[in-house]
Amino acid sequence: GAVVSQHPSWVICKSGTSVKIECRSLDFQATTMFWYRQFPKQSLMLMATSNEGSKATYEQGVEKDKFLINHASLTLSTLTVTSAHPEDSSFYICSALGTSADTQYFGPGTRLTVL
Amino acid sequence: AQTVTQSQPEMSVQEAETVTLSCTYDTSESDYYLFWYKQPPSRQMILVIRQEAYKQQNATENRFSVNFQKAAKSFSLKISDSQLGDAAMYFCAYLGSGGSNYKLTFGKGTLLTVNP
Repeated sequence: GAVVSQHPSWVICKSGTSVKIECRSLDFQATTMFWYRQFPKQSLMLMATSNEGSKATYEQGVEKDKFLINHASLTLSTLTVTSAHPEDSSFYICSALGTSADTQYFGPGTRLTVL
Repeated sequence: AQTVTQSQPEMSVQEAETVTLSCTYDTSESDYYLFWYKQPPSRQMILVIRQEAYKQQNATENRFSVNFQKAAKSFSLKISDSQLGDAAMYFCAYLGSGGSNYKLTFGKGTLLTVNP
């Protein structure tokens, strides 16, 4: 149980284009999901908290107009990187809060490369 | 704000031996949760073990166990009978029970190498 998927697992795009990453909780409903960014050999950096049916809460320093988050259902949250630039290249990981509301389960991550 | 410190950037262990990874944290809360997550080369974050602060008994999951010292704010992970598949980055994480909006605070991680 508590499986979270992410799609795509990797994506390459041209500078200036937008990219959408999906995060799904497969066997449980998640009212709260999280989006992280991870640089090589570093810890996870929380970007935003995604709540079903409401606006996402962004961490300080994260541009909400650049990283659009939509949590339209209890099993799906999406992160759209708008007008991507090479500095947005990174590993993006989502997680979903389990039904006990005290444990996060993580997706496998998405590697984004912006050329 | 809560902080989580992993003082060992890298550790190594011989296959079949035991290794202990350290984690300390700072908090003013009395009720919270602590976690160890494993991130192998695939980069999938895997929950290894979870501990509720109100429980005095140390959590165990097969070969993985913790030594939770609440007064000392210490939460170490012991891996017994280490296997090659245990090689990974291990992250210690803290979750407060009130006002944290369910956000995890992560340590910087310990890279564990298992030598055959």
